[in-house]
Amino acid sequence: EAGVTQSPTHLIKTRGQQATLRCSPISGHTSVYWYQQALGLGLQFLLWYDEGEERNRGNFPPRFSGRQFPNYSSELNVNALELEDSALYLCASSDFRQTSVDEQFFGPGTRLTVL
Amino acid sequence: DAKTTQPPSMDCAEGRAANLPCNHSTISGNEYVYWYRQIHSQGPQYIIHGLKNNETNEMASLIITEDRKSSTLILPHATLRDTAVYYCIVRVAGYSTLTFGKGTMLLVSP
Repeated sequence: EAGVTQSPTHLIKTRGQQATLRCSPISGHTSVYWYQQALGLGLQFLLWYDEGEERNRGNFPPRFSGRQFPNYSSELNVNALELEDSALYLCASSDFRQTSVDEQFFGPGTRLTVL
Repeated sequence: DAKTTQPPSMDCAEGRAANLPCNHSTISGNEYVYWYRQIHSQGPQYIIHGLKNNETNEMASLIITEDRKSSTLILPHATLRDTAVYYCIVRVAGYSTLTFGKGTMLLVSP
């Protein structure tokens, strides 16, 4: 079974640009979660999508947005990039309706560098 | 989600048991204790979870105190590959996201 995949692996942008990160969940999982791991700040929850709808949002500005497609894959968009947006962005998926474990499976992440 | 408190770092000799403590004194009755770990530069990995009974799987054991205010993750025979940051998280299963604290950096040495 294929795990959660993310693309690209690395992304370099300059301040003010937009970044688009992509995530494919494990087959059969309907929920996708996005987390940011910036140096010194730990893992912080960004967004949760389930069945195409945004279910929850972390304490991030509106320039962080995303969507979930009918095949449950997801995009994270970061507009007007700032230097402090440099971080590892992790995507996770789960199928909490079908399991009592509600384990989140994480992808390898996208390393975003803003110059 | 309730907050947790973990020691910032711990050492363990290879082959010995690693016992990682976690305090969660404000845990609610419907909140589970989850443990994840993150090996350097990789995505976090689920280890185990429990509500009030002790749990064991192929990776680890989870001991939860009777009052549920603390728990201990036990890696029975630590290996070098167990070197990672271990996160203790309390949450309502299925209806909330994961709130990661700073975790415990476990260093397993030969």
